[in-house]
Amino acid sequence: GNSVTQMEGPVTLSEEAFLTINCTYTATGYPSLFWYVQYPGEGLQLLLKATKADDKGSNKGFEATYRKETTSFHLEKGSVQVSDSAVYFCALSDQTSGTYKYIFGTGTRLKVLA
Amino acid sequence: EADIYQTPRYLVIGTGKKITLECSQTMGHDKMYWYQQDPGMELHLIHYSYGVNSTEKGDLSSESTVSRIRTEHFPLTLESARPSHTSQYLCASSPLGPNTEAFFGQGTRLTVV
Repeated sequence: GNSVTQMEGPVTLSEEAFLTINCTYTATGYPSLFWYVQYPGEGLQLLLKATKADDKGSNKGFEATYRKETTSFHLEKGSVQVSDSAVYFCALSDQTSGTYKYIFGTGTRLKVLA
Repeated sequence: EADIYQTPRYLVIGTGKKITLECSQTMGHDKMYWYQQDPGMELHLIHYSYGVNSTEKGDLSSESTVSRIRTEHFPLTLESARPSHTSQYLCASSPLGPNTEAFFGQGTRLTVV
């Protein structure tokens, strides 16, 4: 079945460091891919998305490129801030069965130190 | 901006009580979901719906039930709460069709004592 695997955390970085959070997926067909962010005590917010191969999603300095050849959708940011401390979820939209359910990775906690 | 609301945000309740967690959205989305989020952060789909009078069980077995009488409303009910039901519950909605994202509410943190 379809699945999403993302790197385990926690990830601890100093302010202005470069961030990479790895995400790989298994899916039949052509899923849409998403990154969500969850701040403490809140629900998930969409950070960015990509709907086809080679698409690059970007928002608030974060980027991720849909790589079909490596089945990956790694999240990157060139210079993190303390305010980026949160939990990040990689997800895909399962479109094979017509149900369009969302499958989430287990989440990666990021802590940015001043 | 997403317009999906969950109430209450926090609930502490005794064992054996019946509870209903409310979820409403004003975006006219056909699809709605309930996720249970454990302390390890992982999200588990417990119920979903494709529209009025449509409800399906998710990937994680749950003792809760849901209803979808109106498009905008998707409440979750526990007939008899137990400590094992203590968790964060997240409601989400999305339009029908491919390539669309889900919009999440702020969640309800339930504690059963």
